Amino acid sequence: QVQLQESGPGLVKPSETLSLTCTVSGGSVSAYYWNWIREPAGKGLEWIGRIYTSGSPNYNPSLKSRVTMSVDTSKNQFSLKLSSVTAADTAVYYCAREVAAAVVSYSYYYAMDVWGQGTTVTVSS
Amino acid sequence: DIQMTQSPSSLSASVGDRVTITCRASQSISSYLNWYQQKPGKAPKLLIYAASSLQSGVPPRFSGRGSGTDFTLTISSLQPEDFATYYCQQSDSTPRTFGQGTKVEIK
Repeated sequence: QVQLQESGPGLVKPSETLSLTCTVSGGSVSAYYWNWIREPAGKGLEWIGRIYTSGSPNYNPSLKSRVTMSVDTSKNQFSLKLSSVTAADTAVYYCAREVAAAVVSYSYYYAMDVWGQGTTVTVSS
Repeated sequence: DIQMTQSPSSLSASVGDRVTITCRASQSISSYLNWYQQKPGKAPKLLIYAASSLQSGVPPRFSGRGSGTDFTLTISSLQPEDFATYYCQQSDSTPRTFGQGTKVEIK
């Protein structure tokens, strides 16, 4: 059974870079899309982006200029970096696996089937 | 970006009630629509994918319908463990987008 665990600093200063890692256990980081999603307190879910083990990542245009994602297959991990953070970046950050849950006539229906427990990141001086 | 709009934003219901939540996409997304359940302090959990397919292990009282721009999630008989927030999410294109959520509360 695949499990995901987020890790990283819980407190980041304004203008600095937020760095989080998601460790994959019980399965391989290869051959799936790996997503980052965040949830500010009292608000809904915001998709940050996703990365495959090969190919270009996809980022939310609203964050694209500040986001970098990477995969480390040797450590079975993937990572998120968000630069120039402000208080608006304070949120619970989730990592999630996205799989082709159904394939019908060469159409791929993707869904996020495994999620980490989430990690709270606060941006404050 | 594809905008996802859920209604209602919240609802109160009793155990045993039939509950329906609506999700509308700003453009046609065929059946590229997923539903998630989130309980306080927990990560979202996949319930329905491809608009109407039940994720393994999810009780059959949950069902999804729709295609194009209009979708519904129905809970046929609300159970105590179903009180949570429900989100729709489109997987037609990136950026992936979620609805704003529907909170199901106890009446």
